Amino acid sequence: AQKITQTQPGMFVQEKEAVTLDCTYDTSDPSYGLFWYKQPSSGEMIFLIYQGSYDQQNATEGRYSLNFQKARKSANLVISASQLGDSAMYFCAMRGTGGSYIPTFGRGTSLIVHP
Amino acid sequence: DVKVTQSSRYLVKRTGEKVFLECVQDMDHENMFWYRQDPGLGLRLIYFSYDVKMKEKGDIPEGYSVSREKKERFSLILESASTNQTSMYLCASTSPAWDRAHNEQFFGPGTRLTVL
Repeated sequence: AQKITQTQPGMFVQEKEAVTLDCTYDTSDPSYGLFWYKQPSSGEMIFLIYQGSYDQQNATEGRYSLNFQKARKSANLVISASQLGDSAMYFCAMRGTGGSYIPTFGRGTSLIVHP
Repeated sequence: DVKVTQSSRYLVKRTGEKVFLECVQDMDHENMFWYRQDPGLGLRLIYFSYDVKMKEKGDIPEGYSVSREKKERFSLILESASTNQTSMYLCASTSPAWDRAHNEQFFGPGTRLTVL
């Protein structure tokens, strides 16, 4: 069974500062993928970044980077230079291999960026 | 550029009504999902389908059924709507291929259903 834990229900950050959203996971799959999604107030889920369990380097996509620490089973999202448009819910998710294509989601973190 | 569409953004129904939520994807994905999203609970899987006419129960299937007659369309049915089914419903699709470029789920815009 897979489990995703996001311990921060809400986070606040000042515009232009960096922020880290925490995500820990648990799985028995030897190979898996980790995802982060953004959900603005409009409701649509937007894929941000992906990290494979065997990837040697941490994933980066523009201002988003994933701090992957396999031994600690953590996959924290780092947003650099926060913008007002980054205010949204953020969900961490994982998906195993071996035919297990059902993703598991965390409960989400609400991020508010202050001007 | 539209990939996953849902039939309604907002829907208001009365208790006991039969409700149909439609989802269509244009990416030829095998797998489709229906989630329910409630504050503080994240996304909970209701049903998923891995092929036409194939379906599997998710974590909270009670009170719901689904239909997948065509690959691109996955319907969620509330046989007799109740007030505790007031929620945000999200449809998603994904390819089963374990390929980095095709890993993520594509979501529809969501349907906010209110049952009075």
